[in-house]
Amino acid sequence: GAVVSQHPSRVICKSGTSVKIECRSLDFQATTMFWYRQFPKKSLMLMATSNEGSKATYEQGVEKDKFLINHASLTLSTLTVTSAHPEDSSFYICSATRGQRLVAFFGQGTRLTVV
Amino acid sequence: GDSVTQMEGPVTLSEEAFLTINCTYTATGYPSLFWYVQYPGEGLQLLLKATKADDKGSNKGFEATYRKETTSFHLEKGSVQVSDSAVYFCALQLYYGGSQGNLIFGKGTKLSVKP
Repeated sequence: GAVVSQHPSRVICKSGTSVKIECRSLDFQATTMFWYRQFPKKSLMLMATSNEGSKATYEQGVEKDKFLINHASLTLSTLTVTSAHPEDSSFYICSATRGQRLVAFFGQGTRLTVV
Repeated sequence: GDSVTQMEGPVTLSEEAFLTINCTYTATGYPSLFWYVQYPGEGLQLLLKATKADDKGSNKGFEATYRKETTSFHLEKGSVQVSDSAVYFCALQLYYGGSQGNLIFGKGTKLSVKP
């Protein structure tokens, strides 16, 4: 079956540094990728929708300059958390949608801890 | 390891039919359980949740009861509408010593409702 690989699964970084999270669709071309964030004791929050070759569409309240999303190819989208702060510590997860079938496949998620 | 198994789709129903989407889980502790929904072209949304055994989550006519004895969280709706056509994801989340664990998703079940 289709697989979405997200890397890294865990990362600890220092305040002020940037962290890049990759989301790859391994055996299909993902026309759309979604990036989510989960705050402590909250449900998932959609951050942005990313279509290959175009700028990501950010949800209200999500800082596009802080959370840089690049969807350079049909199999790879990246989320870069720039100048990370402790409040950015969270669980980030991507999902990829294949064509018109609208079935989404999830990455394993990334646990980011900023110290 | 911890996992979520949900019935494979696609599920096709006529309008006003009764819906059940089965979800069972395997977890080492006592997880919170969720149903998420993804409508065509949109990101994931939380549909309902339950945090302890025998809790019933409900929203938009959908219900699911946390059954610890059968490790299940089946999604039901008495009368589906065309607008319910979407992909439904069952998910669990464990908490370790007060810390939030990662979300673990089922593979999703696509529902198509015909008029």
